[in-house]
Amino acid sequence: DVQMTQSPSSLSASVGDRVTITCRASQSVSTYLNWYQQKPGKAPKLLIYAAFSLQSGVPSRFSGSGSGTDFTLTISSLQPEDFATYYCQQSYNTPFTFGPGTTVDI
Amino acid sequence: QVQLVESGGSVVQPGGSLKLSCAVSGFTFSRFPMHWVRQAPGKGLQWVAVISNDGNKKYYADSVKGRFAISRDNSENTMFLEMNGLRVEDRAVYYCTRGNTGTYGAYYFDFWGQGALVTVS
Repeated sequence: DVQMTQSPSSLSASVGDRVTITCRASQSVSTYLNWYQQKPGKAPKLLIYAAFSLQSGVPSRFSGSGSGTDFTLTISSLQPEDFATYYCQQSYNTPFTFGPGTTVDI
Repeated sequence: QVQLVESGGSVVQPGGSLKLSCAVSGFTFSRFPMHWVRQAPGKGLQWVAVISNDGNKKYYADSVKGRFAISRDNSENTMFLEMNGLRVEDRAVYYCTRGNTGTYGAYYFDFWGQGALVTVS
C-alpha cells in the first residue's frame, strides 16, 4: 500500500497569510494526487485533483504542485472560511490512501 | 444538482450486521464508479471499497475484506454497503462518494454524501 504523510499536522495562521502544506507518498504516484478540505461535521470537499488542477468552483487562492512523491498545497491568502482540515489522497492505485490531515486554525 | 444521500446508520453490537444505502440523483449513476470512505470519530479519512460503474468489479480495504460487501442497483440509482462481523473499530461516519476521471486519467472523488454514523457498541 502507498503510505501518505503530511506536514505539519497542524498550524496556526492569520487571515491574509500564505499557507503551505506538504504531502509525501511512500512511492511514486506520478500526479495522481488530490487535495480535500473538510470542516467539522461536514463531508470532505475536493479542492485540487491531479496534483495541480483546480476543481470547478474552488477559489484561485488554492494551488497545488508536485509530482512523484512530494506535493504541496498552497493557500495564497488565507480567508476566514479556509480554517479547516486538509487531506491529500493518492489515486494511483487501490487502496486509495489518504494522508493523516493538516488542521489550519487561528 | 448532484446529491448523494446515505441512510441506514445505526447502533449495533459487536459481531452484528448493518446495511448502508447511498441514493444518488443529478447525474447518470450507471456511468460512474462509486466508493465508500469512512472516518472514525476525531480521526482521518479511510477508503473502504469501490464498485465499478457496471457493478462487475469490486475492491476492498484489507481491514474490511471478507466482512463488507459493496453493491449497486443502477435501475434504482442506489449503492449499498453490507457490513457483517462488525467490530468496535468499524465505528465511523461512512461517506459515499463518486469516483470521476479527468484529464490524463486523473481520478478523484468529486461529490460526497453527508455521511451515515455507524456505532458498534
